[in-house]
Amino acid sequence: EDQVTQSPEALRLQEGESSSLNCSYTVSGLRGLFWYRQDPGKGPEFLFTLYSAGEEKEKERLKATLTKKESFLHITAPKPEDSATYLCAVLLSNAGNNRKLIWGLGTSLAVNP
Amino acid sequence: EAGVVQSPRYKIIEKKQPVAFWCNPISGHNTLYWYLQNLGQGPELLIRYENEEAVDDSQLPKDRFSAERLKGVDSTLKIQPAELGDSAVYLCASSLAPQGGVAEAFFGQGTRLTVV
Repeated sequence: EDQVTQSPEALRLQEGESSSLNCSYTVSGLRGLFWYRQDPGKGPEFLFTLYSAGEEKEKERLKATLTKKESFLHITAPKPEDSATYLCAVLLSNAGNNRKLIWGLGTSLAVNP
Repeated sequence: EAGVVQSPRYKIIEKKQPVAFWCNPISGHNTLYWYLQNLGQGPELLIRYENEEAVDDSQLPKDRFSAERLKGVDSTLKIQPAELGDSAVYLCASSLAPQGGVAEAFFGQGTRLTVV
């Protein structure tokens, strides 16, 4: 069964304390992996798309990496404004025209000043 | 550039009443999605449109839910009659994806539905 698992469920960091969020997947085939950020009461905000193992993308304090089994979202020197839920989603390669996305449950990140 | 616009932001209705949500996608985006999100969960796809055609509605509870996307732009999602378990956030998203391609989706703010 296609599955996306995010860990930890919740993470509390001190401002400046770097860490990583994990998104592991067991799917029949991957066409793309998406990272989103979601603030309370808002829709998910797109961060990155990764397509193949070894790929890396960066945006400000965030860096996303991809292997054949998992993706990491590294947060360097986080600030309180980075507090949010981070969602991972995998687009299946056998989805054809269905573009089926499998979503993780998210990691709730809190950064204390 | 305007993002995905949804209305209303909040809706409280009594069970068995009808309710409708409206979505205006990003201009030019051919793909439109309706998702349902419960607290602490990831989004769950209800229906996906490519232009005006519903290409994936396998998760849409068709006995009470309906959707339309006339002219391939705006879309409405309707629930009739609503049940207590329908309380959730309903998200609309759009993307510009070439046939068979991969493209990120952009989400609206969502409509928080409370059924009492």
